[in-house]
Amino acid sequence: ETGVTQTPRHLVMGMTNKKSLKCEQHLGHNAMYWYKQSAKKPLELMFVYNFKEQTENNSVPSRFSPECPNSSHLFLHLHTLQPEDSALYLCASSQAPPDRINEKLFFGSGTQLSVL
Amino acid sequence: AQKITQTQPGMFVQEKEAVTLDCTYDTSDPSYGLFWYKQPSSGEMIFLIYQGSYDQQNATEGRYSLNFQKARKSANLVISASQLGDSAMYFCAMSGRNNNAGNMLTFGGGTRLMVKP
Repeated sequence: ETGVTQTPRHLVMGMTNKKSLKCEQHLGHNAMYWYKQSAKKPLELMFVYNFKEQTENNSVPSRFSPECPNSSHLFLHLHTLQPEDSALYLCASSQAPPDRINEKLFFGSGTQLSVL
Repeated sequence: AQKITQTQPGMFVQEKEAVTLDCTYDTSDPSYGLFWYKQPSSGEMIFLIYQGSYDQQNATEGRYSLNFQKARKSANLVISASQLGDSAMYFCAMSGRNNNAGNMLTFGGGTRLMVKP
């Protein structure tokens, strides 16, 4: 148990659906992240929030829309996805003052997304 | 830009033996961190060990040790006395200084370790 909880664990959606992924951390951290893990590709950073402010958007298509209402919660809103968006979406958090390179990330178990 | 390379897509090891998982990296940052994470079939990424670029000694955490060779830009993970529960994907990752976005990790492609009884 890492202190980062993601729901749902599995999600199947059609290309015209709208759904949301939820992440909650109970660690008192200030930074939260979304990563995408596709088959045969390294983990890809999608978004970073630091103190609720988005500080990184790694050229992610607009059909992915993040939301961070407070330091403990992070959402990823999905709409009109493509089959190639099927992947494991991992949420992570860290204390992460900007200049600390030794700060480890704590990950959730991910949401396995299938787009039909 | 940072880059992490794991050249072993899959490895077998006999239970109770040691195994080394390879990781090489490339960066222009003078200060960086190197991490290893374990991902079992449940999906959760579990932190194993950390090595800072200026650390003089190789990091150790229980059965895990990191063989850090800075000149060769390698940070291999050594697991001693392998257990069946060590079967998982293992990822090497690197952090670098970023003044705006907090700690962003760059991950390698991973190595699948399978421990044989």
